[in-house]
Amino acid sequence: RKEVEQDPGPFNVPEGATVAFNCTYSNSASQSFFWYRQDCRKEPKLLMSVYSSGNEDGRFTAQLNRASQYISLLIRDSKLSDSATYLCVVNNRAGNNRKLIWGLGTSLAVNP
Amino acid sequence: DVKVTQSSRYLVKRTGEKVFLECVQDMDHENMFWYRQDPGLGLRLIYFSYDVKMKEKGDIPEGYSVSREKKERFSLILESASTNQTSMYLCASSLVVVYSNQPQHFGDGTRLSIL
Repeated sequence: RKEVEQDPGPFNVPEGATVAFNCTYSNSASQSFFWYRQDCRKEPKLLMSVYSSGNEDGRFTAQLNRASQYISLLIRDSKLSDSATYLCVVNNRAGNNRKLIWGLGTSLAVNP
Repeated sequence: DVKVTQSSRYLVKRTGEKVFLECVQDMDHENMFWYRQDPGLGLRLIYFSYDVKMKEKGDIPEGYSVSREKKERFSLILESASTNQTSMYLCASSLVVVYSNQPQHFGDGTRLSIL
C-alpha cells in the first residue's frame, strides 16, 4: 500500500459545482497534513494546512479523519480558475519537518 | 511572502556534462529540499538539508550531490548527466518551528533536458 493515496481523477465538474477529494495515508503516527495546488507546468503552491478540528478558507474546507486515516478537501461553488491538480501531503515526523510524503495528485477540470 | 528562486527555468545539457542547479531562499529557512517531478511518479525527494553544510539523502539520491555552504543557498549537482535525469527539478524551503510542522515553499522549477 502506498503511503499516501489519491484518486487521480480527472474530476470534470461544471462551474458552481461542489467537489470533494479524499486522500488516505498509511502511517497512523502521521503528524501533519497539507493540501497543495499545482497548475500545469508550474510549481506546487500551498493551498491549506489541515487541522485536527477541520478548517475552512473561503470556498475550501479541509477535514481530517484520524480513525479512518484520510483527509479531505471540499471545494464549493467551483470556479474555472480552480482547474488544477490537488496534491495531498503528509508529514510523519514532528519537529523539524524534514520529510513530506506526497500523493500523486487529483486532477480537477472545471468546465463552463 | 517567501521567495524561493531557482537559477534557470529551462536548461538543456549534454550527456556526461556536470550540471549545477542553484536555489536561493530569502526567508532564513533552515530546511531546504530538492525534488524531481515526473509524470506518473509525482514528487520524489532527491536530497535535503536542515542546516549549513548538513545534508541527507532522500529517496533517489543516486547520480546527484548537493552543496549547502550558506543558509540561503542549496545547490544540486548532476555529476555526469544522463538522459534519465531529464525532468522537472523543484527546490523548496521550510522553517523549523519546534513541535510544529511547517509547509514547504517552492521555487518555479527548472525543466532540465539532457540530450
